[in-house]
Amino acid sequence: AQKVTQAQTEISVVEKEDVTLDCVYETRDTTYYLFWYKQPPSGELVFLIRRNSFDEQNEISGRYSWNFQKSTSSFNFTITASQVVDSAVYFCALEDGGSQGNLIFGKGTKLSVKP
Amino acid sequence: SQTIHQWPATLVQPVGSPLSLECTVEGTSNPNLYWYRQAAGRGLQLLFYSVGIGQISSEVPQNLSASRPQDRQFILSSKKLLLSDSGFYLCAWGVNRAPYGYTFGSGTRLTVV
Repeated sequence: AQKVTQAQTEISVVEKEDVTLDCVYETRDTTYYLFWYKQPPSGELVFLIRRNSFDEQNEISGRYSWNFQKSTSSFNFTITASQVVDSAVYFCALEDGGSQGNLIFGKGTKLSVKP
Repeated sequence: SQTIHQWPATLVQPVGSPLSLECTVEGTSNPNLYWYRQAAGRGLQLLFYSVGIGQISSEVPQNLSASRPQDRQFILSSKKLLLSDSGFYLCAWGVNRAPYGYTFGSGTRLTVV
């Protein structure tokens, strides 16, 4: 069965600190997709990134970076020089290659960035 | 550009009353459409998805139903709400092309009292 584990329930940092959000997944499929979404207090889910299982290259987008390691089934997300606006709940999700948008979400990590 | 609209934003309904939540997508044709629910303590869960008009697949047996009367319209309904139907309902649309993910609407917070 597919499963996504975000072991960190809540993280609190001070502005400008770097923070890494962990995500560990389980699947038997060889083709799958991994996602990160941000949920600010307003509630909507904001898409951050989608990676497929065949692309292990790390990705950087501004202050955001993602480390995908198939050997450890992890897809970790790092925010560099965090800002108060980064405060939100962050979800990691897994989609198997054959599914039709059935994203298996982790329980989320609540990030609080204090000024 | 593509946009997704969901309404109402909040809803308080008594137990046993009917429900209708609507979602529409603009700027794309024949999208895959999804209803997710975020309930306290249970995380985000896919309820229904649709790959075309009149085509509905249910992931979780429940007190709810979905319909897709038009290409870009997706409706979530219930004939009689239960307390356990309370939650945050999110509509989403998706395309199966990298690097795109699934785009979610702003959600409806439903409280059944």
